[in-house]
Amino acid sequence: RKEVEQDPGPFNVPEGATVAFNCTYSNSASQSFFWYRQDCRKEPKLLMSVYSSGNEDGRFTAQLNRASQYISLLIRDSKLSDSATYLCVVNPGGGNKLTFGTGTQLKVEL
Amino acid sequence: EAQVTQNPRYLITVTGKKLTVTCSQNMNHEYMSWYRQDPGLGLRQIYYSMNVEVTDKGDVPEGYKVSRKEKRNFPLILESPSPNQTSLYFCASSAGTGNEKLFFGSGTQLSVL
Repeated sequence: RKEVEQDPGPFNVPEGATVAFNCTYSNSASQSFFWYRQDCRKEPKLLMSVYSSGNEDGRFTAQLNRASQYISLLIRDSKLSDSATYLCVVNPGGGNKLTFGTGTQLKVEL
Repeated sequence: EAQVTQNPRYLITVTGKKLTVTCSQNMNHEYMSWYRQDPGLGLRQIYYSMNVEVTDKGDVPEGYKVSRKEKRNFPLILESPSPNQTSLYFCASSAGTGNEKLFFGSGTQLSVL
């Protein structure tokens, strides 16, 4: 089993739709979680950290489910500019070792 | 402007010809790291450095070297490149606690013929 698993997609959704991605992780001791956004062949950029109680940033909501070992990202009112690959990132044991998922591709269409 | 500067952006070389990809950050970050990104495999860590003169292997260190003689610079060295090192490479830095935001360079697309 991979340390971090994501559905690669692509998820094709119409503008204005709500879309959700999940990411599962294998190490139950994992301590911190992030969502990064990556545009085609460009550098990843932090979208948001994921906190135990869940957190929201505008149209984006991140949730953590420790019991089932997954994190989720919900995007409301999708915009064309949301089209990108979303990377799930897990810190499995503290320190600076981050494990990246392979990413979920989102395409928002008119 | 806070940034990680990585050069070159594109590099085509031949098997066995030593090359260096440079990485510099202007944020006084202690932590720096190199990743390679391949289709279907995601970002994999090559080497990382917690501070000057402190480096350690990541998940895929074979065929690579790094050095951290100054805090701002963290070059990636391929002593004898091979075709399986053809990849998209990213340098990144952070303040260093593991929960900090990673700042990435703009990437280097390397092709080894």
